[in-house]
Amino acid sequence: QQQVKQSPQSLIVQKGGISIINCAYENTAFDYFPWYQQFPGKGPALLIAIRPDVSEKKEGRFTISFNKSAKQFSLHIMDSQPGDSATYFCAASMRNSGNTPLVFGKGTRLSVIA
Amino acid sequence: NAGVTQTPKFRILKIGQSMTLQCTQDMNHNYMYWYRQDPGMGLKLIYYSVGAGITDKGEVPNGYNVSRSTTEDFPLRLELAAPSQTSVYFCASSGQGAATEAFFGQGTRLTVV
Repeated sequence: QQQVKQSPQSLIVQKGGISIINCAYENTAFDYFPWYQQFPGKGPALLIAIRPDVSEKKEGRFTISFNKSAKQFSLHIMDSQPGDSATYFCAASMRNSGNTPLVFGKGTRLSVIA
Repeated sequence: NAGVTQTPKFRILKIGQSMTLQCTQDMNHNYMYWYRQDPGMGLKLIYYSVGAGITDKGEVPNGYNVSRSTTEDFPLRLELAAPSQTSVYFCASSGQGAATEAFFGQGTRLTVV
């Protein structure tokens, strides 16, 4: 049972363009939505995260947009660079769940070409 | 500060063999996790632990076992390796549960032949 659906599976963007990755979740109890970035041969690392009390969070060129009513959130990478080429995972969890671990999407492989 | 350390980095097993994937963290985190990553399938949770002496099954626990005798270590045991267990395995830890940053190891690439 996939609780977080991520799209697209792969994405090719020109250098300087905007990369957009979308995620949708089913469980309305989710209230923590991180994005992880993974480079080849490495483990995932936290990129940015949002809680549902805000609709947008920005850190440098990376922005999360959150739509609670639609149960969707997305990652926008502005001015995409070749160094952004990586696999991106969205995830979700519940802050007050006690022990429930993160649920990950299937990932998006981003390639930024010059 | 080493963070999360996994050993070995690569391993080839024959069908039916057993092995233990080692994971240790030096951040004094209570929560630890084992994921497997298959191409196009994302990260699937195998087992997790919320503290020493406590473990619980994740989404895909069959064929694996874990133990958590100390805060630092969380080994993953494969008893009878099968080709379906060919994957990249990641160990992770977090300080206050799933709603805080999870730190991942570098991964173990396992091939069962």
